Amino acid sequence: ETGVTQSPTHLIKTRGQQVTLRCSSQSGHNTVSWYQQALGQGPQFIFQYYREEENGRGNFPPRFSGLQFPNYSSELNVNALELDDSALYLCASSYDMGRSGELFFGEGSRLTVL
Amino acid sequence: AQSVSQHNHHVILSEAASLELGCNYSYGGTVNLFWYVQYPGQHLQLLLKYFSGDPLVKGIKGFEAEFIKSKFSFNLRKPSVQWSDTAEYFCAVNGNNAGNMLTFGGGTRLMVKP
Repeated sequence: ETGVTQSPTHLIKTRGQQVTLRCSSQSGHNTVSWYQQALGQGPQFIFQYYREEENGRGNFPPRFSGLQFPNYSSELNVNALELDDSALYLCASSYDMGRSGELFFGEGSRLTVL
Repeated sequence: AQSVSQHNHHVILSEAASLELGCNYSYGGTVNLFWYVQYPGQHLQLLLKYFSGDPLVKGIKGFEAEFIKSKFSFNLRKPSVQWSDTAEYFCAVNGNNAGNMLTFGGGTRLMVKP
């Protein structure tokens, strides 16, 4: 059983730039969600994708966008980066929108915005 | 809007001590409740969950949690902790049919001294 993998693990950007983070979901999972975890805080839900369509969004501005591909892998794009976007970005996958109640998380991509 | 509060940010215990981590939530409807754990250097993983039925749920590694609806609480307990329980613990909640859209608390960092 392949777990959730994310890339890159670390990256540094400057304010105003754009970033793309990638996630490969666990084998057999068709739902992917993204979370932002600022230092010392719990993860905050950004959005989820189910069968290639956005299916729920948290309180994040439109410059946070995403994609899910036919193989259920996913991308998170953030435009016009701000200093407060510095955080650990977590991807989580599940089957059928997490009805079993268990999300499988990757180890995250740590983004630093200077 | 739903929210989750974890009142203890840092807890230090000696091995064999009993553990109780507090979690209170605010949500206007039927909820599903979770505890996730993040061991040092590892990804977030599910410890236990409550959907319905017996309000006392048992999870992995001897952990249990009790849902008290009248108190909007879902406290995590373990009778005797081990050094290997050193980790960060997150309480989370979502509504029915909310899929992967979890609201997390701020986390409790537990250190168990050998």
